[in-house]
Amino acid sequence: TQLLEQSPQFLSIQEGENLTVYCNSSSVFSSLQWYRQEPGEGPVLLVTVVTGGEVKKLKRLTFQFGDARKDSSLHITAAQPGDTGLYLCAGSLGWDGGTSYGKLTFGQGTILTVHP
Amino acid sequence: GAVVSQHPSWVICKSGTSVKIECRSLDFQATTMFWYRQFPKQSLMLMATSNEGSKATYEQGVEKDKFLINHASLTLSTLTVTSAHPEDSSFYICSARNPTVLAKNIQYFGAGTRLSVL
Repeated sequence: TQLLEQSPQFLSIQEGENLTVYCNSSSVFSSLQWYRQEPGEGPVLLVTVVTGGEVKKLKRLTFQFGDARKDSSLHITAAQPGDTGLYLCAGSLGWDGGTSYGKLTFGQGTILTVHP
Repeated sequence: GAVVSQHPSWVICKSGTSVKIECRSLDFQATTMFWYRQFPKQSLMLMATSNEGSKATYEQGVEKDKFLINHASLTLSTLTVTSAHPEDSSFYICSARNPTVLAKNIQYFGAGTRLSVL
């Protein structure tokens, strides 16, 4: 059972369209990160959200953390070919006094392709 | 932002040989680093947590004798794939947690190592 469900897994759109990627869980996260990864490279951190209901904007990207800190979304406005890549959400369960601390739980990833 | 350097970026080796991958935090000290494996067009799969000065913690199903992890200093962790076989071919990525932002548990990733075993 996937702890963090990310959808959709594949997204192919035309330049200028809007899109939303979702990450959902039954677990409460102390923080949640969104990363973008290009082929042959490591993931690059886009944003971290820590407060329930938090909304952060990064140019055309809007990130939202659910009120209960169980879900998050990434919305891209007017997508561009340069937005193409693998988008990953990753949640931290926080301190549990055990071996889970510090680990990130990753969603399955969303492969976004933006066509010119 | 924090920088994590991973080396080599690409390695080809013969079956049966061992390969060492290095992960360095360049501008911060990392008591904890993580090693991931990634298959094409898939998400990251955590292999183990590397702790400075102590034994690594391996995820279920990961052979600790196959994937040796050493975290000898606060800025360096190494992953050695011993007696590599073609099924070990994959993209290996390390990350380091910046202890100054513990509450957010942010991990910074290396650029990855593409391992091809012939």
